[in-house]
Order: sequence, then C-alpha cells, then structure tokens
Amino acid sequence: KNEVEQSPQNLTAQEGEFITINCSYSVGISALHWLQQHPGGGIVSLFMLSSGKKKHGRLIATINIQEKHSSLHITASHPRDSAVYICAVSIGGGADGLTFGKGTHLIIQP
Amino acid sequence: ETGVTQSPTHLIKTRGQQVTLRCSSQSGHNTVSWYQQALGQGPQFIFQYYREEENGRGNFPPRFSGLQFPNYSSELNVNALELDDSALYLCASSSGTTFFQSSEAFFGQGTRLTVV
Repeated sequence: KNEVEQSPQNLTAQEGEFITINCSYSVGISALHWLQQHPGGGIVSLFMLSSGKKKHGRLIATINIQEKHSSLHITASHPRDSAVYICAVSIGGGADGLTFGKGTHLIIQP
Repeated sequence: ETGVTQSPTHLIKTRGQQVTLRCSSQSGHNTVSWYQQALGQGPQFIFQYYREEENGRGNFPPRFSGLQFPNYSSELNVNALELDDSALYLCASSSGTTFFQSSEAFFGQGTRLTVV
C-alpha cells in the first residue's frame, strides 16, 4: 500500500468548474507539499502545509493533521490549469526526501 | 523559473554504460535531493545531500551515487545502466537542513534518460 494516496487519478472538467483533489497519507508527517507537473516534466511547488489552510490566487490547500488528509481546490478552473497535480509528504526529519503520490491528471476543457 | 537547472534535458545510453546527470541549484540552497520518475508514476526518492554530505537515501542500489559541490551544483551518477533505469530524473533543492524546514522545494525540469 502506498503511503500517499491521491484521488481521483484522472479528472476532466469544464472551464469554470470548482475542482477538488484529495490526498491521504498513512504515516506521521512533518509537512505536505502540493506540486504541479506539466507535460515535459517540470515540477512547480504550489504549497507547503504543516497545518491549516493556504490560498494563492485561485488555488486553496487545506490539511487536517488528525485525519491525515489534505485537499487542493481550484476555483474558476481554466484550461491552463490542465496538468498533473502531485501530493508529496516529508516523513519524520525529512532526510528521506519527499514521498510522492502518483498524481492526479487534470484536464480542463474550454 | 525555479532557479534549478538540469542538464542534459534528454539522453540516450546503452545498457551497461555509465551516465552522469547534473543539477545546478540556487545560491544558498544547501539541500538537494534526486528523484526517479517512471512513466505514469510519482517520483521516487533516490538520495539527498546537505552541504556535500549524503544525509538520506531511498531504496536504490549502490550503482546510483551522487556528489554535491560547494557551488550548489550536484551530480547523479548511474553505473551499469539497465533498461529499467529509463525514466525522468528530477533534482530538487531547498534552503535548510532538510525539506521540512524549508518553505518550498524548487525542482528542475528533469533529465529524460532512455536506456536501449
């Protein structure tokens, strides 16, 4: 069983829809990262969370440490949001790098 | 623009050969980690360096080795290449001792290695 599970694996939505991507993890963590990966491979860090909620533009990330669950929300989605969204966690002291989920492939249709 | 540059972007090698991949991080980013991402999968942690010392390693064999230099550049070396080593290799850097101390992880664009 993966230590980090994401859902859904694939999501296709219409422009303007509210998007939610979920991440659950099974171990104690120091921090959780939400990352965006575009075709070609480059990864961009969106958020790092250790508690609560963060907002940046149309993106909102929340984490519930007790329930070992985090969500990434996109409001007023746009085709340029189409990408793979990856949840990754730092376990323990962080010397084990990041442990990644398999990603959610999001397509926003015009 | 993340300030992390990887080279080369693409590489084709033959099984059994050796390869060196390079990563240049932002000034002041003392921590760098390397990841292998197979097609359709999430990245897998290979190892991490802090100030030129390896301080963490994932489940990869010893033929995967690395170096970090004082100028914030680093290398991933893979000996005796196997077909299954074909993947996207990513490096990521941050300030602080380990990632959890950093506000953000900065990733390079990756090197796509194909072993034939």
